Amino acid sequence: QQQVKQSPQSLIVQKGGISIINCAYENTAFDYFPWYQQFPGKGPALLIAIRPDVSEKKEGRFTISFNKSAKQFSLHIMDSQPGDSATYFCAASRAGGATNKLIFGTGTLLAVQP
Amino acid sequence: GAGVSQSPRYKVAKRGQDVALRCDPISGHVSLFWYQQALGQGPEFLTYFQNEAQLDKSGLPSDRFFAERPEGSVSTLKIQRTQQEDSAVYLCASSERASGDTQYFGPGTRLTVL
Repeated sequence: QQQVKQSPQSLIVQKGGISIINCAYENTAFDYFPWYQQFPGKGPALLIAIRPDVSEKKEGRFTISFNKSAKQFSLHIMDSQPGDSATYFCAASRAGGATNKLIFGTGTLLAVQP
Repeated sequence: GAGVSQSPRYKVAKRGQDVALRCDPISGHVSLFWYQQALGQGPEFLTYFQNEAQLDKSGLPSDRFFAERPEGSVSTLKIQRTQQEDSAVYLCASSERASGDTQYFGPGTRLTVL
């Protein structure tokens, strides 16, 4: 059972463009939604995270939009740069439970062309 | 200011061999997680420690997988009688609090079983 669905699987964006990655979740008990960036041969690194009490969070060029009623959230990368080329994972967890294990999406491979 | 470290970074094992993978979390972090990442997939939860207590091992795929964190710091993931399907990257993550959300990942150990 895939609890977090991510799309698209891959994305090509021109330098300076906006990259948009979408995720949908099933478990309404989830209350923490992070995005991770992973470069080849490296571990995932936290980019930005949101809780469902807000609809949007922005940090620099990265913005999370959250739609609680639709159980969807998305990552927007503004002014995309070649250095942003990586695999992006959305995730979800239920904070306050016995285990704050992260349930990851399947990943989006982003390529930013110069 | 060291992050999460893992060793070895690469491990090649013959089918049937036992392997041990080490994780050094960020100093003082209470929570420690192990994840398995197959090629082209998102990380999948294996097990969770709060200090030395293993509170969740629901993700361990078989009884060949065993994890410990005897002193509440360093953790070891052991895989007995390795099989080809065990080939993956094994990621360790730590979090500051027991109910904390932000998980910091190590670089992973790439296990290849021949």
